[in-house]
Amino acid sequence: SAVISQKPSRDICQRGTSLTIQCQVDSQVTMMFWYRQQPGQSLTLIATANQGSEATYESGFVIDKFPISRPNLTFSTLTVSNMSPEDSSIYLCSVEGRGLAGGETQYFGPGTRLLVL
Amino acid sequence: DQQVKQNSPSLSVQEGRISILNCDYTNSMFDYFLWYKKYPAEGPTFLISISSIKDKNEDGRFTVFLNKSAKHLSLHIVPSQPGDSAVYFCAASALQGAQKLVFGQGTRLTINP
Repeated sequence: SAVISQKPSRDICQRGTSLTIQCQVDSQVTMMFWYRQQPGQSLTLIATANQGSEATYESGFVIDKFPISRPNLTFSTLTVSNMSPEDSSIYLCSVEGRGLAGGETQYFGPGTRLLVL
Repeated sequence: DQQVKQNSPSLSVQEGRISILNCDYTNSMFDYFLWYKKYPAEGPTFLISISSIKDKNEDGRFTVFLNKSAKHLSLHIVPSQPGDSAVYFCAASALQGAQKLVFGQGTRLTINP
């Protein structure tokens, strides 16, 4: 399994500002993923980040709003730009891996809880 | 359009009994399914997965059943333990692997002593 840390763990921000969330993995991985979980909702994939190439965004998410960096195989950042209260969510990063029984899975970080006022 | 649905927001089960969590999906292209458990203030933790070429996968107390014709999967936990109290998410992928996961809304399981 992979051990993933995220910074910050939580933040309260003013509307119109931007926040950069960091994700660090304890091993080299090809793909990293960023998700959002809005209050009372399921996890929604924002984008897939591969090292050395631009991130691939899902429908409804754009690079100008959620720029992503992937400078190496153990680290990625997600920026939430020009924030509004609707961006209040838990943001999670994850990486591909294999479960103990051999099945493919994703391992998740602890999440960053963001509140925008 | 919710492609993965968990219609029960909550479930309460007595300790030692079987917990059955259900999940339905609409996209017939999904071919890989996973179950995660989530505690408050933590990220989801992987429990078990199943490929569409199987109809059952078992790992310890956890068994996942897949009914492709009904587009339905279920997670059985037996026996249920107090530490199983958490929110459970099912997820699906159309890439025969754990990429581009689509999650259900989650079911909060409470195990009563």
